[in-house]
Formats: sequence, C-alpha cells, structure tokens
Amino acid sequence: EAGVVQSPRYKIIEKKQPVAFWCNPISGHNTLYWYRQNLGQGPELLIRYENEEAVDDSQLPKDRFSAERLKGVDSTLKIQPAELGDSAVYLCASSLMGYEQYFGPGTRLTVT
Amino acid sequence: SQQGEEDPQALSIQEGENATMNCSYKTSINNLQWYRQNSGRGLVHLILIRSNEREKHSGRLRVTLDTSKKSSSLLITASRAADTASYFCATDKEGAQKLVFGQGTRLTINP
Repeated sequence: EAGVVQSPRYKIIEKKQPVAFWCNPISGHNTLYWYRQNLGQGPELLIRYENEEAVDDSQLPKDRFSAERLKGVDSTLKIQPAELGDSAVYLCASSLMGYEQYFGPGTRLTVT
Repeated sequence: SQQGEEDPQALSIQEGENATMNCSYKTSINNLQWYRQNSGRGLVHLILIRSNEREKHSGRLRVTLDTSKKSSSLLITASRAADTASYFCATDKEGAQKLVFGQGTRLTINP
C-alpha cells in the first residue's frame, strides 16, 4: 500500500513569492490534514478535511494561506505571498475514521 | 498552541538500556497517541491509548496513561541505535478529532 505522497520535498523561494504544496493521501482515507512544523517543535494543525469539506480551518492564516481538496482526494496548500516566518516543514497526513494518522515525508520550505 | 509537554526535551542513553519519556497535558482527552520522527522524515504512529485504558504494550514499547494526573509515559525497552529519533505525544481532545502535539523528546541511542 502506497503511503501519503507529497511534493515537492524541498522548496526555496524569495519572500512575497507564491508557493504551493501538493498531497495525495492513502487511497480510501476520507480525512486529510495539513500541519506546519517549525524547527524543534511538534506539528501544528492548519486545516482538516472530511472528504471535500474543510471541517477545521481555525488555525489557517486565511489572509495568505488557502487550501483545497477537490473530489475529496488530492489536496493543495498555497501561500501567497510568502513571508520569512513561513519557513517550516509542511506535513500532510490522512486517516480513516479520524484515529491513527499516516504522515507524508513533508515539504521543507525556505523563504529567503 | 501545543497542549502536550514532553519531558525530558533530550535524552541520550547507551544501546541496550531502557528509555522513558513523559508527556503531560492540560485538558480532558479522548485518546493519547505517540509518534516517532526520524531526522528529515514524516511522523510514524507508534501506539494509541484510550482515556479508559491505563497501560498498553506493543513490542518493545509500553505506554501508560494516568488521566487523574493528565500524564502519560512511553517506555522503550532494550533500546537500539535505530530508535534514535524524536518522539511526540499527541492528544485527541474529547469529541474534537483533532491531534495536538507536544514539542517532542529527542532520543539518542549511543552504540
């Protein structure tokens, strides 16, 4: 069984530029999560999807972050414009019935 | 904001010894989970313990939960070099289906 796939693995951009991350969850998993993990910290939830619906986006900075999950499968997280403080690892996870979560390898974003 | 706090922040032991990590949290939970993260990789689920359980085992892992003290511990017995990683506890608040992670314990196993 394939795991959670994320791309790109690494991204370096200048501040004020846009950036997008893509996630393909495990087949059949209805719940998809995006987390941000700062260096030396645990992951923090940005948004949670149940199928196509964003059921928890309370910690998503909506002025610059957006996300979508079309057809309840793949998901894209976008930042526009990026700021220096957005440098972090962005993790995608999926789960079935909302218990054990399976994480992708993450995208390491560096904003210069 | 992060609910869980792991203790210690860093732990270094010799191969073959046991490693114990602790996690404290603040609010009522539905379950508590432990995850492992190797350098530069995503998190891997290790074990889930529900709020009505007190102890759970999985291979060389033993997890305890004390809801009266709002704390949990993860014991890794007979440690191996491959156990070197960061370990995170994550709490699932009652009815929220939302994991809140602690800051993690960095475990180093010395050969």
